[in-house]
Amino acid sequence: AQSVTQLGSHVSVSEGALVLLRCNYSSSVPPYLFWYVQYPNQGLQLLLKYTSAATLVKGINGFEAEFKKSETSFHLTKPSAHMSDAAEYFCAVSRPSGTYKYIFGTGTRLKVLA
Amino acid sequence: GAGVSQSPRYKVAKRGQDVALRCDPISGHVSLFWYQQALGQGPEFLTYFQNEAQLDKSGLPSDRFFAERPEGSVSTLKIQRTQQEDSAVYLCASSRPGQGTDTQYFGPGTRLTVL
Repeated sequence: AQSVTQLGSHVSVSEGALVLLRCNYSSSVPPYLFWYVQYPNQGLQLLLKYTSAATLVKGINGFEAEFKKSETSFHLTKPSAHMSDAAEYFCAVSRPSGTYKYIFGTGTRLKVLA
Repeated sequence: GAGVSQSPRYKVAKRGQDVALRCDPISGHVSLFWYQQALGQGPEFLTYFQNEAQLDKSGLPSDRFFAERPEGSVSTLKIQRTQQEDSAVYLCASSRPGQGTDTQYFGPGTRLTVL
């Protein structure tokens, strides 16, 4: 079975500070991993994905994530937070075969302080 | 191009009513997924279609939930005899065929409130 744990349901950072959102996964097979962002009353938008190529993945809006198999982690980072980054962020895992359904974490709401 | 669209965006139903939620996937996307997102939670998988075939319905919470995609394009999620615990946002996603690496593109969701 696969699962995702996102530590910290709420994270606050100052504008210009480092953003770090944590995601740990559990999977019996090599996983595919995703980070999505959700703005209020909108659908989920893909930030980046790991699909067994490079372990450091760069996404949109300056975000990146590093796949660390030894730590079963896929943390999301951004060097400098912008006010527009305030949103909810979801980490998801899927299998490389079968249904390809996503298993999501419970989400982390990011607040950016002026 | 056009993304995934869902209608209605908001639905209020009285307990016991039947509802139907529509999803229009991105043109040419063979795979279609439905997820349920309860308040304050991450989306949870409901069901998956490849073309018109429903290949996985393991996430449907009860036999009151039914999904179809008769022509391999538009999909409808039907909930019969709605209950208060069915209140959630229902998300539809589509992707290109066959590869787990393919991104799922999500619609804006339908927020269902059961009174």
